[in-house]
Amino acid sequence: ETGVTQTPRHLVMGMTNKKSLKCEQHLGHNAMYWYKQSAKKPLELMFVYNFKEQTENNSVPSRFSPECPNSSHLFLHLHTLQPEDSALYLCASSQGLAGAYTGELFFGEGSRLTVL
Amino acid sequence: AQSVTQPDIHITVSEGASLELRCNYSYGATPYLFWYVQSPGQGLQLLLKYFSGDTLVQGIKGFEAEFKRSQSSFNLRKPSVHWSDAAEYFCAFTGNQFYFGTGTSLTVIP
Repeated sequence: ETGVTQTPRHLVMGMTNKKSLKCEQHLGHNAMYWYKQSAKKPLELMFVYNFKEQTENNSVPSRFSPECPNSSHLFLHLHTLQPEDSALYLCASSQGLAGAYTGELFFGEGSRLTVL
Repeated sequence: AQSVTQPDIHITVSEGASLELRCNYSYGATPYLFWYVQSPGQGLQLLLKYFSGDTLVQGIKGFEAEFKRSQSSFNLRKPSVHWSDAAEYFCAFTGNQFYFGTGTSLTVIP
């Protein structure tokens, strides 16, 4: 198993659909992250979880709903999205939160989302 | 304010030529520094990291980076670029959170 696995790799959805992105990490890490990467824009941090507890919500619209049932799994539930939400969504994990532990982020391959 | 600056949006080099990608950071203390690479449609892969000690760090794929505290820089270098190095490169550091630069896109011409 690779370190951080994301499914699906590609997703096309209509604006009224409900879908979910899944992330699983096999590294024994405690912190998990969702990032959004849009063309020509910097990497945007969306959510951070540490030991299953959300520690950061970076002013993300409520149409994005994260869920972290345990330290190994992270979901991003999507509903009534807009075309501008089309992007690459990256999941990452780290041993601890920045500042508390000198570790790096391990990224998944990303889920390419297209909203029609 | 804490930030990472990658002044070069896009760089083109010939295969076999040397490469240097620039990175400057703004942070009140010595940060933990990273370089990541991203191939099209893929996630970010760690190339190398600096936590402490020797300011010249070696990474994967023949890359190295040098931390210069006086210049708040962490430039990435490779002596001889291969066509497979064409990708997006991100500099990052961690202070109280992870900060990423906007990336440098590398094109390699034969």
